[in-house]
Amino acid sequence: QVQLVQSGAEVRKPGSSVKVSCKASGGSFSSYSINWVRQAPGQGLEWMGGIIPILGIANYAQKFQGRVTITADKSTNTAYVELRSLRSEDTAVYFCAKNAGGSIRYYDYWGQGTLVAVSS
Amino acid sequence: SYVVTQPPSVSVAPGQTARITCGGSNIGSKSVHWYQQKSGQAPVLVVYDDTDRPSGIPERFSGSNSGNTATLTVSRVEAGDEADYYCQVWDSSSDHVLFGGGTKLTVL
Repeated sequence: QVQLVQSGAEVRKPGSSVKVSCKASGGSFSSYSINWVRQAPGQGLEWMGGIIPILGIANYAQKFQGRVTITADKSTNTAYVELRSLRSEDTAVYFCAKNAGGSIRYYDYWGQGTLVAVSS
Repeated sequence: SYVVTQPPSVSVAPGQTARITCGGSNIGSKSVHWYQQKSGQAPVLVVYDDTDRPSGIPERFSGSNSGNTATLTVSRVEAGDEADYYCQVWDSSSDHVLFGGGTKLTVL
């Protein structure tokens, strides 16, 4: 049984950066991809990108290209998402989610979510 | 770019059948996955690859996909099924994961 545990809530000022972590336990960290999905207050789910830890290759949604970096540390089974140049519209709950393995494109386990609030 | 469309809301009485649609151009050629999200919680996968259910998901949840519409069907709806439901596909041309806008299921 895989469990994804995310870091705690963050408050940032506009123009700054934030880095959220997602630690996986159970299963083989390198055998699946970790993806990041965010949800603004009262809004739907938005895919930001993902990484295959064993390859260290990340894929980003075009909307976030140049502003987001997703990384993974195989030694600690932890994935990270860093978002830069924050603006108020980035206020959201950020979820990590693992796929079901290989190149499968659906997510069978999710983290609990991390609230990132951007406010001056 | 590819777009998937869901109705904002669906309402149904307890014991009835709810059908939530997900529209997209020739979506029948893609694999569609469905998530249930209750208030304040992370999403939960309820149907994957159009019709399959993860272990632990009741048989009342089923899916279909053909032509330009995929459908999540919830039979014998219960009060506990009240939630937001999202469809999700992968667009191979852009290598992007796409979510529908979500449908709020209200149990009357």
